[in-house]
Amino acid sequence: GAGVSQSPSNKVTEKGKDVELRCDPISGHTALYWYRQRLGQGLEFLIYFQGNSAPDKSGLPSDRFSAERTGESVSTLTIQRTQQEDSAVYLCASINQGASYNSPLHFGNGTRLTVT
Amino acid sequence: AQKITQTQPGMFVQEKEAVTLDCTYDTSDPSYGLFWYKQPSSGEMIFLIYQGSYDQQNATEGRYSLNFQKARKSANLVISASQLGDSAMYFCAMRGSASGGSYIPTFGRGTSLIVHP
Repeated sequence: GAGVSQSPSNKVTEKGKDVELRCDPISGHTALYWYRQRLGQGLEFLIYFQGNSAPDKSGLPSDRFSAERTGESVSTLTIQRTQQEDSAVYLCASINQGASYNSPLHFGNGTRLTVT
Repeated sequence: AQKITQTQPGMFVQEKEAVTLDCTYDTSDPSYGLFWYKQPSSGEMIFLIYQGSYDQQNATEGRYSLNFQKARKSANLVISASQLGDSAMYFCAMRGSASGGSYIPTFGRGTSLIVHP
């Protein structure tokens, strides 16, 4: 079946502009995660959605970052008034939360964001 | 809180040789899973192997094996018979049971592996 789909694959924006990144998880996957990966670094957790529960936003670095997800469908990550330090690859992953903690995340190919 | 430590920023290995990538972890969860992912230059994250905290046997998947030492809290990845296509970043990750937020997978900083011909 189809994997996790992210769009756009690349985004170049000017400092101060808003951007919206999209993630389409695997059908039936109830949990969705957003991570940020700066160049040469590991994955930094941003936000977690589980079904219709309130999202875990504990990883969002500032109030310029927000994300939405309706039910178990598409999620959008919005960065307002982008800064150069926001330049990174933004990775989305999904998982069937009904599976146990031994289930691996399924990742999309990421969106490479460059803020000029 | 969970923590993953990968102390090797870069590793080099000769083609056809074996290589071990180190990973240590810290958690208060009694039940957890440990994962290794490969990230080639294309950027995709590829799941390689999983080890459960209660598994008695070390996990193996083809040329990949996981040297799990629970008492030492280490979960090293062993790649046997390295191939040029193994050159990539490798990330160790863990995910705990649902309590305390440990259901959010935590990743290490990664190890860059270069395989020489």
